[in-house]
Amino acid sequence: NAGVTQTPKFRILKIGQSMTLQCTQDMNHNYMYWYRQDPGMGLKLIYYSVGAGITDKGEVPNGYNVSRSTTEDFPLRLELAAPSQTSVYFCASSYDGLSVTGELFFGEGSRLTVL
Amino acid sequence: RKEVEQDPGPFNVPEGATVAFNCTYSNSASQSFFWYRQDCRKEPKLLMSVYSSGNEDGRFTAQLNRASQYISLLIRDSKLSDSATYLCVVTASSNSGYALNFGKGTSLLVTP
Repeated sequence: NAGVTQTPKFRILKIGQSMTLQCTQDMNHNYMYWYRQDPGMGLKLIYYSVGAGITDKGEVPNGYNVSRSTTEDFPLRLELAAPSQTSVYFCASSYDGLSVTGELFFGEGSRLTVL
Repeated sequence: RKEVEQDPGPFNVPEGATVAFNCTYSNSASQSFFWYRQDCRKEPKLLMSVYSSGNEDGRFTAQLNRASQYISLLIRDSKLSDSATYLCVVTASSNSGYALNFGKGTSLLVTP
């Protein structure tokens, strides 16, 4: 059972560089999410998607972009990396819109450092 | 006021102890409530939902007080393996249904 798979697990970027965090899930979930977690802080929603071709901004979308061309994949793009984007990024998926089960399935996280 | 507030701890308790965590939320329209568990440097995982009438899952009991807008988690007979951060999570409405608001978490360390 792969579940939600994120790559890379670790990455160091220089200021101004760009990169894409990959996320794929094999549970046929329509809903997918990107969160970031800073030390000692709660998870903050960056972007989410309710299905292929549909994406929407979360709480902290600035500096990021996403796409959802397939049900399985939901990559997160960082353009012009800044030190403020140093964080742990979690991709997640859910079967429903969270109003009932509230169960998010998370990937193992991607630790990004911008120097 | 933050949407979901938790005492960060850490709570250090001996094995076998009973420990309780509280969480308050600001949005009175919130409808669903959950506790997640996050081990060190790992992803969060759903521990249990919180129902209006209160609910129990083995050694874990969750309670909801809508009038006072707080949620609690009680852990009885603590085990070493219970050491983790416990995240209080509350639903928030969004354009496409609901999103989850996460508290910062309460850290628990169970010692021998």
